[in-house]
Amino acid sequence: AQSVTQLDSQVPVFEEAPVELRCNYSSSVSVYLFWYVQYPNQGLQLLLKYLSGSTLVKGINGFEAEFNKSQTSFHLRKPSVHISDTAEYFCAGGAQGGSEKLVFGKGTKLTVNP
Amino acid sequence: DVKVTQSSRYLVKRTGEKVFLECVQDMDHENMFWYRQDPGLGLRLIYFSYDVKMKEKGDIPEGYSVSREKKERFSLILESASTNQTSMYLCASSLVGGGNVQYFGAGTRLSVL
Repeated sequence: AQSVTQLDSQVPVFEEAPVELRCNYSSSVSVYLFWYVQYPNQGLQLLLKYLSGSTLVKGINGFEAEFNKSQTSFHLRKPSVHISDTAEYFCAGGAQGGSEKLVFGKGTKLTVNP
Repeated sequence: DVKVTQSSRYLVKRTGEKVFLECVQDMDHENMFWYRQDPGLGLRLIYFSYDVKMKEKGDIPEGYSVSREKKERFSLILESASTNQTSMYLCASSLVGGGNVQYFGAGTRLSVL
């Protein structure tokens, strides 16, 4: 069975600092991997996705993530965060060629302080 | 742009009431999903539909049912609402063969009193 683990439930950072949100997955098959962002009182918005090809994936709002098969990780990074990046971030995984469903991590609340 | 619309942003219902949550997507997606989101628990799949009139139970289907009579509309039904169903409900849709990318509605925050 597939699982997705977000290693930090809360990450506080100062504005303009770099940030990394960690995600590990386990799967016996090839995977698709995603990061979604949820701003307060809104639905989830796709930030970036890894389907195949280059392991470094760039997304919206200056975020990027690297697929690391040997470490089964898909960490999200941004070199310099803004107050407006304060939100909850979800990592999710799906099985290639399998079910259309996604498995979500429990979320990481990123708080950017001035 | 894909648009997934949930009919209500906020709902307040009484224990025992029958509750309908409606979701409509405008991109002809085959797959539709209902999730429940609770603090610290992330998103949990309630039901999944892969075609009209076709459904599959998710991880927490107890106390819920669904209806998909038309491709664009997926309804979540709470037959007899209970206080432990107070939560944020999120609907999503995806295209078969679209790399499992799901598109979400804005969510319905349901309070059962």
